[in-house]
Amino acid sequence: ELKVEQNPLFLSMQEGKNYTIYCNYSTTSDRLYWYRQDPGKSLESLFVLLSNGAVKQEGRLMASLDTKARLSTLHITAAVHDLSATYFCAVQRSQGNLIFGKGTKLSVKP
Amino acid sequence: EPEVTQTPSHQVTQMGQEVILRCVPISNHLYFYWYRQILGQKVEFLVSFYNNEISEKSEIFDDQFSVERPDGSNFTLKIRSTKLEDSAMYFCASRGDRRGEKLFFGSGTQLSVL
Repeated sequence: ELKVEQNPLFLSMQEGKNYTIYCNYSTTSDRLYWYRQDPGKSLESLFVLLSNGAVKQEGRLMASLDTKARLSTLHITAAVHDLSATYFCAVQRSQGNLIFGKGTKLSVKP
Repeated sequence: EPEVTQTPSHQVTQMGQEVILRCVPISNHLYFYWYRQILGQKVEFLVSFYNNEISEKSEIFDDQFSVERPDGSNFTLKIRSTKLEDSAMYFCASRGDRRGEKLFFGSGTQLSVL
């Protein structure tokens, strides 16, 4: 059974600081997603990582994938308040459906 | 950007009643999904649908649940006899068939079973 674990589950940051969210998964997969969710809202796709060593960046967020270690990271650079949200990683099974982690609730304080 | 649309945005029902949640996936997409999220918890897979049939379902998707694509554009989730624990946000999602395509989620239907 594919399991996806994120840590930390809660993260309180000061504006301007850097931090990393980790996503470990238990079985082989070469497709990993990061989503953002604001309270009461839907899931906004941030990144799709397709292969070992993939790195994608958008603004202050950078995601990477190490399929051998079964690890993805979401790095936040110089956090701003607008990044406050819950971030989910999700791993795609061979059948196509996604298994989500529990999410990391990020709060960026001035 | 094209989007997945879901209706209604909120649905309140009495326990034991049937509900139908509706979704219009992105028009050229081929894979369709339902997920749910109980308040404050993670997103859980319910069912995937391809080529007019269920391709996979989770243990949550029991005999009380069914899906249908009645007219080539809508994709519905029916819960035959709702239970209190069915209260959740239900998300529809769709994607195309090219490798690496994102899964696009709708805005969700908040189902409250009283």
